[in-house]
Amino acid sequence: AQRVTQPEKLLSVFKGAPVELKCNYSYSGSPELFWYVQYSRQRLQLLLRHISRESIKGFTADLNKGETSFHLKKPFAQEEDSAMYYCALSGGGADGLTFGKGTHLIIQP
Amino acid sequence: ETGVTQSPTHLIKTRGQQVTLRCSSQSGHNTVSWYQQALGQGPQFIFQYYREEENGRGNFPPRFSGLQFPNYSSELNVNALELDDSALYLCASSSSRGGRSYNEQFFGPGTRLTVL
Repeated sequence: AQRVTQPEKLLSVFKGAPVELKCNYSYSGSPELFWYVQYSRQRLQLLLRHISRESIKGFTADLNKGETSFHLKKPFAQEEDSAMYYCALSGGGADGLTFGKGTHLIIQP
Repeated sequence: ETGVTQSPTHLIKTRGQQVTLRCSSQSGHNTVSWYQQALGQGPQFIFQYYREEENGRGNFPPRFSGLQFPNYSSELNVNALELDDSALYLCASSSSRGGRSYNEQFFGPGTRLTVL
């Protein structure tokens, strides 16, 4: 069965500090991995996906197949990064997205 | 281009009742997925509709059913409501080929269902 684990329920860092949100997955094939973000009072939206290899809002994530991880990183956190972050996996078919439980990121001034 | 919309915003039902939630997909999208998000949890996949047929389903009982209409809007129906059905229900639309979704899913704001 496919599974996504986000070990940190809450992560608090100071503005300007580096941020790393952890995501580990379990899947038998070659999954597609995503990070979704939900800012306060806004809907869930895609932040980035591993196949595009883009940097969005300064965030990057590298898929490590050996460690089955897809950690989200940003070198210098900003206050507007405070949000709920969800790691998600897709098998590419009609089985939808499998989400982790989410990490609440708080950036302190 | 309009985004995904859902109605109603909030709903309160009692145990044993039936409920219908509605979703209008984003313009140009042909696939709709529904998710249940319990408090403190990530969204959990219920099912996906493509060309008016269910073509993918998560681990939910048959009392969770749906419809997709020719304009790609969709309904989620839940029969015999249970207390554990209290959650935020999210609809997401995307464009897919042959029902296999390769593209980004765009989420609606959700419907908050409370079962008493």
